Amino acid sequence: DIQMTQSPSSLSASVGDRVTITCRASQSISDYLNWYQQKPGRAPKLLIYTATSLQSGVPSRFSGSASGTDFTLTISSLQPEDFATYYCQQTDSAPFTFGGGTKVEIK
Amino acid sequence: QVKLVESGGGLVQPGRSLRLSCEASGFTFSSYAMHWVRQAPGRGLEWITSLSYDGSHKFYADSVKGRFTISRDNSKNTVSLQMNSLRVEDTAVYYCAKDPSRLVEYGFLDSWGQGTLVAVSS
Repeated sequence: DIQMTQSPSSLSASVGDRVTITCRASQSISDYLNWYQQKPGRAPKLLIYTATSLQSGVPSRFSGSASGTDFTLTISSLQPEDFATYYCQQTDSAPFTFGGGTKVEIK
Repeated sequence: QVKLVESGGGLVQPGRSLRLSCEASGFTFSSYAMHWVRQAPGRGLEWITSLSYDGSHKFYADSVKGRFTISRDNSKNTVSLQMNSLRVEDTAVYYCAKDPSRLVEYGFLDSWGQGTLVAVSS
């Protein structure tokens, strides 16, 4: 099975900060990497699919990039509504494993 | 708009069975693969199973293989999860989610239900 290692597990940031979250796959997954946002008590929401494609309706401050087996989610200017937990997921091959999550908290 | 509504959760004893359902609306259900993902209390997301648009392709996580079965009824716009031999560690919120592809060739989840809680306890 492909393991997804997400870092950091949590971070504190201020409104307006640039935030980066990283996900590393245990083997090549091409660009089959997706990012989700989850707020407490809510279902996850798709942000980025196939590493770099922005889901419809998601603000352009969210972006994704890839380099080999390393993937990054960047929030260019953190907004109050962005405080949440973020998960990566690989969909190269089943089981479609998620990373452990990154909780973004207010500094 | 896409709407997914899960039902069937509740409290069940270890070793017993439970069947979850997810009713879909707002899109052509028979054209898309569907998934179930769960989240134990205070924990992260765990993908557990996927089913292609026509039921021909099924995938399971090792943690549920042989105990859980995914199925769909395209005439009723419903995907189901039959859960047998339940364990305490199956306690979680269970989400159904839509895949934008037919044969799970994409695999990402572009719409989610609100989830249903399954609690396994004696």
